[in-house]
Amino acid sequence: DIQMTQTPSSMPASLGERVTISCRASQGISNYLNWYQQKPDGTIKPLIYYTSNLQSGVPSRFSGSGSGTDYSLTISSLEPEDFAMYYCQQYDSSPWTFGGGTKLELK
Amino acid sequence: QVQLKESGPGLVQPSQTLSLTCTVSGLSLTSNSVSWIRQPPGKGLEWMGVIWSNGGTDYNSAIKSRLSISRDTSKSQVFLKMNSLQTEDTAMYFCARNFYGYNYWYFDFWGPGTMVTVSS
Repeated sequence: DIQMTQTPSSMPASLGERVTISCRASQGISNYLNWYQQKPDGTIKPLIYYTSNLQSGVPSRFSGSGSGTDYSLTISSLEPEDFAMYYCQQYDSSPWTFGGGTKLELK
Repeated sequence: QVQLKESGPGLVQPSQTLSLTCTVSGLSLTSNSVSWIRQPPGKGLEWMGVIWSNGGTDYNSAIKSRLSISRDTSKSQVFLKMNSLQTEDTAMYFCARNFYGYNYWYFDFWGPGTMVTVSS
């Protein structure tokens, strides 16, 4: 199975701050990498698919990049609604696996 | 409008079988694939398995021997059955649609989840 390691596991940040979350795969995943946001009420929604494609309706302050084994999600300027959990997910090979998550907290 | 909603017993005794239902609306199961994903309390997400639009299935090898996913297309329902439940199976269980494009796919719509506690 491909292991996905997200760093950091938690991140205190301030409104308006630029933040980057990293996701490293245990082997190359050919850009087959998605990002999801989970709100405190448990609701999950997609943010980025295929490394860098913005899901419809997601604000442009979210962006994704990476290649090979290393990927990242960047939020250019934090808004109040962005404080949530974030997960990366690979679909290069089954079983499809998620990172352990990053909790974005208000500093 | 695509919607998915999970339902289940809430509490299951150890060694028993879990049965969950995912009821979908706004999409046809004959042209869409649906996955089950779970999340233990305070932990991350684990993909469990998928039922493809053609009715075929694939499972996470870690739980494959205990898991079965099926569907009733006429009722727009997807079912999960997992046997020999243990306390570590306590989790929120989600169903989600697999959305496909050229050279990519992702889970685009998720249900709100149903909590399952394994306890005597």
